[in-house]
Amino acid sequence: GAVVSQHPSRVICKSGTSVKIECRSLDFQATTMFWYRQFPKQSLMLMATSNEGSKATYEQGVEKDKFLINHASLTLSTLTVTSAHPEDSSFYICSALLPGTGEKEAFFGQGTRLTVV
Amino acid sequence: AQKITQTQPGMFVQEKEAVTLDCTYDTSDQSYGLFWYKQPSSGEMIFLIYQGSYDEQNATEGRYSLNFQKARKSANLVISASQLGDSAMYFCAMREDPFSNDYKLSFGAGTTVTVRA
Repeated sequence: GAVVSQHPSRVICKSGTSVKIECRSLDFQATTMFWYRQFPKQSLMLMATSNEGSKATYEQGVEKDKFLINHASLTLSTLTVTSAHPEDSSFYICSALLPGTGEKEAFFGQGTRLTVV
Repeated sequence: AQKITQTQPGMFVQEKEAVTLDCTYDTSDQSYGLFWYKQPSSGEMIFLIYQGSYDEQNATEGRYSLNFQKARKSANLVISASQLGDSAMYFCAMREDPFSNDYKLSFGAGTTVTVRA
């Protein structure tokens, strides 16, 4: 299957700093990528849809200025958590839509566990 | 309203036995897709199986099969011959109107499966 790589897998940062998470499609071009947030033992919550060459579409309740998404190329989308606070600690996971699969599956990255101290 | 309902927060199954994970969904669309994903403790989301709303046959992928009952709006996952490596969290997800460009997956709360030796 298609490979999506997410980096870093774990990150610890100080409160007030910014953290960038990368999501790469390694063997295909993804015009659309998605960013999710997951709290322990809970479901995935869609944060935003990232489209190459255009602004991301954020879900209701997600702060655009807090979670900056950039999809500058067909293989890379980044999520930057700005001025991170302990409540931003969570598991963040991206997915990329494989073109030509219609309604078939999206492929997920390995996820990033963010801890803000 | 919740689109995907998984009523079993946790299940135990004996190795080599089969287990059924329940999933019901709510949509007014005629065309939609249903997915099951596996999330081990490492965090990555692994695609297991897909069922389209117009598919007449129940989907099967190796030891995974989907018991699709459209009238009841249920899409239960059956894992046959459980293995220790099947221990993970399992998510049911739905994509409504798959022919739109808005590929959004709605996830259920998940079911944690523990396989006992």
